[in-house]
Amino acid sequence: AQSVTQPDIHITVSEGASLELRCNYSYGATPYLFWYVQSPGQGLQLLLKYFSGDTLVQGIKGFEAEFKRSQSSFNLRKPSVHWSDAAEYFCAVGASGDYKLSFGAGTTVTVRA
Amino acid sequence: GAVVSQHPSWVICKSGTSVKIECRSLDFQATTMFWYRQFPKQSLMLMATSNEGSKATYEQGVEKDKFLINHASLTLSTLTVTSAHPEDSSFYICSARGTQSSYNSPLHFGNGTRLTVT
Repeated sequence: AQSVTQPDIHITVSEGASLELRCNYSYGATPYLFWYVQSPGQGLQLLLKYFSGDTLVQGIKGFEAEFKRSQSSFNLRKPSVHWSDAAEYFCAVGASGDYKLSFGAGTTVTVRA
Repeated sequence: GAVVSQHPSWVICKSGTSVKIECRSLDFQATTMFWYRQFPKQSLMLMATSNEGSKATYEQGVEKDKFLINHASLTLSTLTVTSAHPEDSSFYICSARGTQSSYNSPLHFGNGTRLTVT
């Protein structure tokens, strides 16, 4: 079975600074990887996903993520954060085809002025 | 874009009563819907997978008689928490995917339902 680890529970970053959220996965085959963002009391919005091909994936809101098979990682980055990026971020991994995603515990991002 | 509507967004009920949560795909046909439960400050835990016209598949440890799932049409799945107790208080989120059978079919999430059992 697949699993995801997000080592950072909470990250505080200054507005305008860069952000990197870590995600490590465990899966025996080629994983399907996702990053979602959740605002308080809301559902999840897909930021980006990786299935195959180029290991650097561009998403919405200026986010990108890089798949590194050798490190079993799929870290999320943004060069310059905005106050509106304050939210909970979840990394998820899926097996082929069935969309039964396993989510990490999430990283809370706080943006300070 | 595709939208998944979840209703109600919050509900308070008394212990022992049942609560029904609806998940609707508004502009696409959802062959598969997923129900998740999220505890405060924790991740989403998949409860069950529901396919239109068939019985739901529950994850290990999820009581199927307590969490009744019905997916009677391609646009509606319901989760009924029967004989709710305070420990059932949680945030419940549904997601739905379209009719394509690959990951290129996007997965859309509802905005969740906050259930509080008193």
